[in-house]
Amino acid sequence: SQQGEEDPQALSIQEGENATMNCSYKTSINNLQWYRQNSGRGLVHLILIRSNEREKHSGRLRVTLDTSKKSSSLLITASRAADTASYFCATDVAGTASKLTFGTGTRLQVTL
Amino acid sequence: NAGVTQTPKFQVLKTGQSMTLQCAQDMNHNSMYWYRQDPGMGLRLIYYSASEGTTDKGEVPNGYNVSRLNKREFSLRLESAAPSQTSVYFCASRTASGSNQPQHFGDGTRLSIL
Repeated sequence: SQQGEEDPQALSIQEGENATMNCSYKTSINNLQWYRQNSGRGLVHLILIRSNEREKHSGRLRVTLDTSKKSSSLLITASRAADTASYFCATDVAGTASKLTFGTGTRLQVTL
Repeated sequence: NAGVTQTPKFQVLKTGQSMTLQCAQDMNHNSMYWYRQDPGMGLRLIYYSASEGTTDKGEVPNGYNVSRLNKREFSLRLESAAPSQTSVYFCASRTASGSNQPQHFGDGTRLSIL
């Protein structure tokens, strides 16, 4: 079963706009990770936020984590056409030997 | 560094045929994983190997077997392929179980079962 659910399933924005994706999960976690997948390629790790962290930044990426609501958000600022991809959240669930459970993903389309 | 290398990249099989998907990593990672990805879905864990010499079932292990050949290599075998196993298969590795580290993925094997 899927641990994480992303919202929205698809998002279309124009270059320069911000994109926000949300992820909800069900059980206690060690950390939550965000990955990007370009069409026909493998997943690329973007950012990891630990369960005791609330916010993390990496370049144009900002991730928040609310463990009380079991939710996370990924914000991409000043989006570019090259950001067009699918984005997945993955939870490292406590007590599962560091297996990741992935959500169903958000497909982001950034147009010029 | 090549990272995680999967072979082959594409394969078409007939129902009932067997096949082994190969995965190798050159990052000296302890843990390795096999996932499948179906249209509109996230990745689902088939099997994983937390360390050399150990393997464990994931969420969808039925119809598959794995071998952790050495620290670098982790293979996935379909003994008798079925159309339901048509999917994109991804291998991943990670530096150590229990640590807050990301997984590194290969580019996948696209498998079609006719």
